[in-house]
Parts: sequence; C-alpha cells; structure tokens
Amino acid sequence: QKEVEQNSGPLSVPEGAIASLNCTYSDRGSQSFFWYRQYSGKSPELIMFIYSNGDKEDGRFTAQLNKASQYVSLLIRDSQPSDSATYLCAVNEDYQAGTALIFGKGTTLSVSS
Amino acid sequence: EAQVTQNPRYLITVTGKKLTVTCSQNMNHEYMSWYRQDPGLGLRQIYYSMNVEVTDKGDVPEGYKVSRKEKRNFPLILESPSPNQTSLYFCASTYLGSGTGVYNEQFFGPGTRLTVL
Repeated sequence: QKEVEQNSGPLSVPEGAIASLNCTYSDRGSQSFFWYRQYSGKSPELIMFIYSNGDKEDGRFTAQLNKASQYVSLLIRDSQPSDSATYLCAVNEDYQAGTALIFGKGTTLSVSS
Repeated sequence: EAQVTQNPRYLITVTGKKLTVTCSQNMNHEYMSWYRQDPGLGLRQIYYSMNVEVTDKGDVPEGYKVSRKEKRNFPLILESPSPNQTSLYFCASTYLGSGTGVYNEQFFGPGTRLTVL
C-alpha cells in the first residue's frame, strides 16, 4: 500500500515567521509531488509542484524534494493569518499507467496575528 | 474559465433513496476522479476514469457507481445511500499529456456535502 505521511498538527506559528511542513512517501517510483492548500469546507487548491531534487521557490513558498530520503517539504516565509489552512501533500507515480494521486491526510497550520 | 463543476453542492437525503452527483469539466481532461473526505481520514479515492468508457475502482468504491459516457462528465451514483456515506465529496480532473511544463496536477471541483439520514 503506497502511503504519504504528514504530521496532522496543528502547527502554530506567529505572523511573520517561517512555517515548515513536512511529508514522507513510501513509493520510490513517485515522480511528481504537489502541495495543496485547503480551507475548511473548501476544495483543495494547488500551490506548488516539484519533480526534481532540490528547491523550488514561488513567492513566499519554497518546496524542497529529496528523493533519496523520500521526503518533501514546504516552507512558507513571512507567514500570514490568511495562510491558516490544511496543507495536503500529494504524490503521483504515473498517470499514464493508471496510477492515482496519493494524498497525505494533511497538516493544519495556524498563523496567529 | 477553466473549471470543474459539481451539483448539487449540498444534499440531505434519506437512506435508500438513489441519488446522482454530477461532475463536469471544460478542460478536455482525460482523467477524472471522485474522492470523499472525512475528518481524520483525509482524501480517499472512490473511482477514477482514464478516458471515455474506461473506469476503475479506487480505495473505497463500495456503495458507489460511476459512468463516463462523455469526456467532460463523470457522475457519481449512490444506488442505495447509507448514513456511512455522509461525507464531503470532490470531483477532480487531470490532463494526461506529457512534455515540457506538464505536471499533471489535479483540478478540483467545489465539493458536494452529502448527508444521509
């Protein structure tokens, strides 16, 4: 059974701090990695994707991938109260082969003002 | 506007009364999927479809049916709903192409909150 593991949280950080969200996955064949943000009762929205080892930056967000350690992380710099949400890590092996996107259960982030 | 739509958004029904939740996407995506989301259990895939007339079970298919007669539509059918199917349901679609700049992210619909009494 392929698994994606995340700490459920809540992760609490003060406004302006760096929030660090972590994710591990079990399938070494995973090729693409996604971070979704989900506000309560709303649908997940994609905020970052990464497929190569190393860092990828987009505004205040940085995704980090280490395939050897099967580890993906998301850093949120200058955290804002509006960043308070559940963050879902997802990994994908190969859609063309019919494999599905596997989601972690999510980490709840709370940013206090 | 590129989007995935679901209807209804909210539904309260009774045990055993057949219902259909519709899902439609306007992005010409091949892959479509249904998830349910429950507290503490995360997103769990119910069924998915690789293309028209091609469907397969996900992790929790019991009690559900799907069909894919047209590329844009992927309805979820509950023939005899039970209270344990009370959940938040999401439809999603994905482009299956490959190449530079294609990362196959899933686009989600707004969700359908179903309550079965």
